Amino acid sequence: GAGVSQTPSNKVTEKGKYVELRCDPISGHTALYWYRQSLGQGPEFLIYFQGTGAADDSGLPNDRFFAVRPEGSVSTLKIQRTERGDSAVYLCASSPFGNTIYFGEGSWLTVV
Amino acid sequence: KQEVTQIPAALSVPEGENLVLNCSFTDSAIYNLQWFRQDPGKGLTSLLLIQSSQREQTSGRLNASLDKSSGRSTLYIAASQPGDSATYLCAVSNTGGFKTIFGAGTRLFVKA
Repeated sequence: GAGVSQTPSNKVTEKGKYVELRCDPISGHTALYWYRQSLGQGPEFLIYFQGTGAADDSGLPNDRFFAVRPEGSVSTLKIQRTERGDSAVYLCASSPFGNTIYFGEGSWLTVV
Repeated sequence: KQEVTQIPAALSVPEGENLVLNCSFTDSAIYNLQWFRQDPGKGLTSLLLIQSSQREQTSGRLNASLDKSSGRSTLYIAASQPGDSATYLCAVSNTGGFKTIFGAGTRLFVKA
């Protein structure tokens, strides 16, 4: 596809469960970002990849959150032992180096 | 630590008015600044990208300016239309990396 693709679009999970959110960036984009957005707020930075490596993971809130991008393309955000406070929209974005950022539609996570 | 503030938080105007949205940032060592639009329940769409060496960018009825030294940017929307109703977000990317920090956004409502 032409844009950033995120799956699942919606996920409802029980407190304490493990969740994986997937992001397919635009082909050829070296930079990949994960953000979290709560209602009425701007996107909150979580992690940024340049190629396969996490260039900046300072936004990950705690060690329950982890993200990988093993081949420099698809990325997976992993959340362990989910808590109700993790409920939010998780946005993925990609860009050519230092250029316009393109966002996916987001994965809406609800922890019940 | 970079902080981005947007004023006003919400704005309601009649159709046809020209309007200005404001963005300020605390660390002037930025690589670029972007303005995004977000419709309810959707991802973000990039509107304008201003590199740190530039003063402004224009696209159609939109004009964005950047004053890096004072840490300010404005988004000017001419002849507003009901279809412009959305949340507008400002984001800055820092030099030395591309961690992009967002403001909380301005919710714009244009009345027909």
